[in-house]
Formats: sequence, C-alpha cells, structure tokens
Amino acid sequence: KNEVEQSPQNLTAQEGEFITINCSYSVGISALHWLQQHPGGGIVSLFMLSSGKKKHGRLIATINIQEKHSSLHITASHPRDSAVYICAVKNGTASKLTFGTGTRLQVTL
Amino acid sequence: DAGVIQSPRHEVTEMGQEVTLRCKPISGHNSLFWYRQTMMRGLELLIYFNNNVPIDDSGMPEDRFSAKMPNASFSTLKIQPSEPRDSAVYFCASTPFDYNTGELFFGEGSRLTVL
Repeated sequence: KNEVEQSPQNLTAQEGEFITINCSYSVGISALHWLQQHPGGGIVSLFMLSSGKKKHGRLIATINIQEKHSSLHITASHPRDSAVYICAVKNGTASKLTFGTGTRLQVTL
Repeated sequence: DAGVIQSPRHEVTEMGQEVTLRCKPISGHNSLFWYRQTMMRGLELLIYFNNNVPIDDSGMPEDRFSAKMPNASFSTLKIQPSEPRDSAVYFCASTPFDYNTGELFFGEGSRLTVL
C-alpha cells in the first residue's frame, strides 16, 4: 500500500463543475503539499498546509490531520484547470516528500 | 523574479556519456532540491541542500549520480556514465523557508533521454 494515495486517478468534468480531488496518507506528517503539473511539464505549488483550510482564488485545500486526509476543491472549473494534481506529504522526522501518483483532470467545454 | 532556472531543457545523449544538469534557485532561497520524475515511479527526491550543504542524499540512486552546490546561486546534478534507465525529467526546486514549512518553487525541468 502506498503511503500516499490519491483518488480519483483520472477525472473528466465539464466547465463550471465543482471538482474534488482526494488524498489519503498513512503516516504522521508535518506538512502536505498540493502541486499542479500542466501538460507542458512544469510544476507549480498550489498549497502547503499542516492544518485547517486554505483558499486561493477558485482553489480550496483542506486537511484533516486526525483522519489523515486532504482534499483539493476547484470551484467553477475551467479548461485551463486541466492538469495533473499531485499530493505530497512530509513526514515530521524525514526530509523527503512522499508523492502521490497524481490525479489527471480534464475539463471540457 | 525569474523563478528557478534549469538548463538544459532537453538533453539527448548516448549511453556512457556524462550528463550535467544545472539549476539556479530563486535568489534568497536557502534550500534546494533535485527531483526525478518517471512514468513508473512518479516524483522522487534525489538530494536536498540547505545553505549549500547536502542534507539528505539518500535518494541518489547510485554512485553514478553526484550533485554539488558550490554557492547559493548554482547547483549541478551530474550523471557519469549515463544509462538508458536514467531517462527522466529532472526538476530542481527551491524554498526560502525551513523545509518543514516552506512552499516549493519548481523549475521547468530538464528532460533527459539516454539512448
């Protein structure tokens, strides 16, 4: 079992839909990152959080430490949101990030 | 700010050749990371520097890989000799904060193909 699991692996949505991507992890963590990777390959850090909730524009990230679960929500989705979304966790005692395998999102018109 | 700058963006080389990938972190960032991304294994941390000092190189696959950070504005990742299984996208990232709390800023990546 991977330490970091994301669901769904693939997601297709229509423009305007509300999207949720989930991340579950099995170890204690000090921080969780949500990353976005566009088809061109570049990676952008969306959020880094260790508790509660963060919001940036149409993106919202939440984390429940007790349940070892985080969600990334996209409101009013747009085709430009099409990308791979990657969850990564930092174990409090380690210097490495452990990455999920990513969720490939396709938003169509 | 120009962001994290990596070069080359693409490299095609033959097995056995030496490959050097370069990274310029964002000015003022004190932590630098080299990651490798493959279809099979996803993103993996290779090595992490803090204030130019290698802190964790346990992700470096084998002795053929080496990384240096001679100063705060430059790092290299070298593969010698290269092998086809080294084909991947190599990302450099930097952060201005302590690694426990900092947001990561990634370069565009260097796509390496070893024939």
